[in-house]
Amino acid sequence: GAVVSQHPSWVICKSGTSVKIECRSLDFQATTMFWYRQFPKQSLMLMATSNEGSKATYEQGVEKDKFLINHASLTLSTLTVTSAHPEDSSFYICSASGRAGANVLTFGAGSRLTVL
Amino acid sequence: GENVEQHPSTLSVQEGDSAVIKCTYSDSASNYFPWYKQELGKRPQLIIDIRSNVGEKKDQRIAVTLNKTAKHFSLHITETQPEDSAVYFCAASTSGGADGLTFGKGTHLIIQP
Repeated sequence: GAVVSQHPSWVICKSGTSVKIECRSLDFQATTMFWYRQFPKQSLMLMATSNEGSKATYEQGVEKDKFLINHASLTLSTLTVTSAHPEDSSFYICSASGRAGANVLTFGAGSRLTVL
Repeated sequence: GENVEQHPSTLSVQEGDSAVIKCTYSDSASNYFPWYKQELGKRPQLIIDIRSNVGEKKDQRIAVTLNKTAKHFSLHITETQPEDSAVYFCAASTSGGADGLTFGKGTHLIIQP
């Protein structure tokens, strides 16, 4: 149980375009989803926390207008990187906690974004 | 806010030996301490966790100890095997669970054959 699916697993886009990443909890209702960014050989940096049906809470230094997060249902959250630039290239990972997970975190497989 | 320090950043041990990774935290209200294993290019996986009402927890070759007074917790892996090679992250939260987890910077564990 407690499976989180994330896609796409990798995406290459041109500078200035927008990219959407989806995070789905497959077998449980995720009351809270988290989005992280991970640079090579570095730790997971929390970008934002989203609760179903409400606005996401962004960490200090994360531009909410650039990283749009939508958590419209208990099984789906999306992260849209708007007007992407090369410095946005990174590994983005979502995670979810919910009723099946007993408040334990389950991670998606991650999405590697490369902005040309 | 919470600050989690993790050491060492890299640890190399001979296969069969034990490995110990240590973390300290700053917020005395922290009450949940999970450990994650991340293989290259893959998602972090929870391997063990401990809550503040327990001092030690063991699961086969993996154990975690918690010292609330000193505000540190450690991961112990015994009889290390090649498949233990990965990056390990500690984390802490005050929510008793996944909300508000602060991660350490990670330890790259290398098991030498």
